[in-house]
Amino acid sequence: EPEVTQTPSHQVTQMGQEVILRCVPISNHLYFYWYRQILGQKVEFLVSFYNNEISEKSEIFDDQFSVERPDGSNFTLKIRSTKLEDSAMYFCASSQGTEAFFGQGTRLTVV
Amino acid sequence: AQKVTQAQTEISVVEKEDVTLDCVYETRDTTYYLFWYKQPPSGELVFLIRRNSFDEQNEISGRYSWNFQKSTSSFNFTITASQVVDSAVYFCALSEAHNQGGKLIFGQGTELSVKP
Repeated sequence: EPEVTQTPSHQVTQMGQEVILRCVPISNHLYFYWYRQILGQKVEFLVSFYNNEISEKSEIFDDQFSVERPDGSNFTLKIRSTKLEDSAMYFCASSQGTEAFFGQGTRLTVV
Repeated sequence: AQKVTQAQTEISVVEKEDVTLDCVYETRDTTYYLFWYKQPPSGELVFLIRRNSFDEQNEISGRYSWNFQKSTSSFNFTITASQVVDSAVYFCALSEAHNQGGKLIFGQGTELSVKP
């Protein structure tokens, strides 16, 4: 069964460093998303991406965040200068237009 | 504005009990989708069900059943004869139709603990 794949599963980074979280969406999907879940809290929408551009973003998705689909298969989330409060589980999702399929998540720990 | 409320933060039951997880939503759209996801301790989000706003039929899948009531804006989830493996956080979510099912607004989640 096709699935969304995220790497790495866990990343530890120092405050101020840049991180790139990677996702391989399901191959025939057209809509891509990033979500964040701070430990013990609800899952929050960050950004949606369609046709090689951001279609919608939340207030959380500020200038330190960016997304890219560099090669037609990967979908990346970059955090430019990480802060302690960026520590969270980050989920990638893709959709063909009806329901979103989520990856396993990347747990980001900023120290 | 869209909103999903799961008023039950934690529920604890003993194995074989039935348990209902509540979900109330708010949206101005007439066409929308409702979802339930399960998040086990390992952290991934497991899709359980999607329901569109025009289909108010209740659904049963094994020990799981869902009751969608548009009149009360509720989409409740019942687990019959609960098992220890059902222990997880359960999230209800809403997506408006123009979001292609992908931009989801999640509730706070209900942590279900099933004790042997």
